[in-house]
Amino acid sequence: AQSVTQLDSHVSVSEGTPVLLRCNYSSSYSPSLFWYVQHPNKGLQLLLKYTSAATLVKGINGFEAEFKKSETSFHLTKPSAHMSDAAEYFCVTYNQGGKLIFGQGTELSVKP
Amino acid sequence: SQTIHQWPATLVQPVGSPLSLECTVEGTSNPNLYWYRQAAGRGLQLLFYSVGIGQISSEVPQNLSASRPQDRQFILSSKKLLLSDSGFYLCAWSAKRGGRDTEAFFGQGTRLTVV
Repeated sequence: AQSVTQLDSHVSVSEGTPVLLRCNYSSSYSPSLFWYVQHPNKGLQLLLKYTSAATLVKGINGFEAEFKKSETSFHLTKPSAHMSDAAEYFCVTYNQGGKLIFGQGTELSVKP
Repeated sequence: SQTIHQWPATLVQPVGSPLSLECTVEGTSNPNLYWYRQAAGRGLQLLFYSVGIGQISSEVPQNLSASRPQDRQFILSSKKLLLSDSGFYLCAWSAKRGGRDTEAFFGQGTRLTVV
C-alpha cells in the first residue's frame, strides 16, 4: 500500500542555515509525491510536486526536493532558512484508490 | 483558473446543535473532493472522499456525514455536535490528468469549536 512517513515530528534550525525535512515513501509503482506547507490556522499550500519527470524538483520560496528511488525518499531542502519558513510541513502521496495520503507532519522552527 | 471556497472561517457551536460546512470549487469539472479534520497539534485525518455526485466514501466512523448535491459542491454535516468534533476542517479538490494524480488544492479551513 502507498504511504509516506515523515521521520521527524519537529525540526529546529537557525535563520540562515540549511533546512532538511525527511520523507520516505512506500509504493508499488512510481508515485506522485508532494510537499505542502501550513501556517497556523491556514489551509495548505503546495510547495512542490514530483510526478515522474525530473527527479530534482524545485518549488516555491527556495525549497526543493529530490526523488531517490533507491532510497525511497523525497526529502525537502532549502539552503538558507528564513524566519517566515516556520510552519508545519506535510509530505503527501496518493494511494491506489486515488485518496490523498498525508505524512504525520514536521513542525519547522526557525531561531533568529 | 480554479478556486476553492470554504465557509465559514470560524464557528462556535453548542453541543447537540447541527452543523453544516460548505465547500465549492470553481473553474473545473468532476473534481475529486475531500474533507479533512485536523485536531490541535495533529496531522490531517481524511473524513470523506468523493469522486462524483452522490459517490462518497466515509473513512472513519463518526458523528459526521457528507453530501455532494452538485458536481462542485461538498457539504459536511452533523445532526448533533459532540465536544470531540472540535477541530480545524479542511476541504480540498484534485483532478486526474493523463492517468496521473494531480496536486490537491485546499480551502482556507474552518475552525470549529464545540462548547
